[in-house]
Amino acid sequence: DAGVTQSPTHLIKTRGQQVTLRCSPKSGHDTVSWYQQALGQGPQFIFQYYEEEERQRGNFPDRFSGHQFPNYSSELNVNALLLGDSALYLCASSTGPSYEQYFGPGTRLTVT
Amino acid sequence: EDQVTQSPEALRLQEGESSSLNCSYTVSGLRGLFWYRQDPGKGPEFLFTLYSAGEEKEKERLKATLTKKESFLHITAPKPEDSATYLCAVQWRDSNYQLIWGAGTKLIIKP
Repeated sequence: DAGVTQSPTHLIKTRGQQVTLRCSPKSGHDTVSWYQQALGQGPQFIFQYYEEEERQRGNFPDRFSGHQFPNYSSELNVNALLLGDSALYLCASSTGPSYEQYFGPGTRLTVT
Repeated sequence: EDQVTQSPEALRLQEGESSSLNCSYTVSGLRGLFWYRQDPGKGPEFLFTLYSAGEEKEKERLKATLTKKESFLHITAPKPEDSATYLCAVQWRDSNYQLIWGAGTKLIIKP
């Protein structure tokens, strides 16, 4: 049984560019949450998708957007990249919004 | 302001030396408290969920407990492979299922 998968593993982008990160949830899970984790800190909630809709959002600007597909997979898009966007981006899936979340390995984004 | 604070920031123990990690929270109306383990450069690995004061959960050398204001992760006779950062997260009733995370405790077990 495959767990949560994310792609790519690593990514290097230049300031001002746009990036798309992808996530496939654990089998049987229908809810996907995205987090940003800076070095030495806990994850910061970006947003959560359930039934193909953004259900809640953390304190992130509109440059961060997402999408959930009918097969429950999800994308995170970040526009106009800033140096401060460099972080580990984590995707987590669950069976509904309120249950334990299982994380993928993350995508390490470096903005130069 | 709702907060989750973990202590200590880092903990170095000798193999076999038992200890406890703390997670205190100020949210009102706790829905659940979650413990995760995170290895460097990897995603957090789910360990436990606690829902009400007095609840306890165990897994191998780890035991999590919950009171009205804090949770403890007790590590009994740890081994070097228990070295990791341990994160706690809290979900509260008015949060629409959002999680607030602590900054984690970095645990190092020396052989």
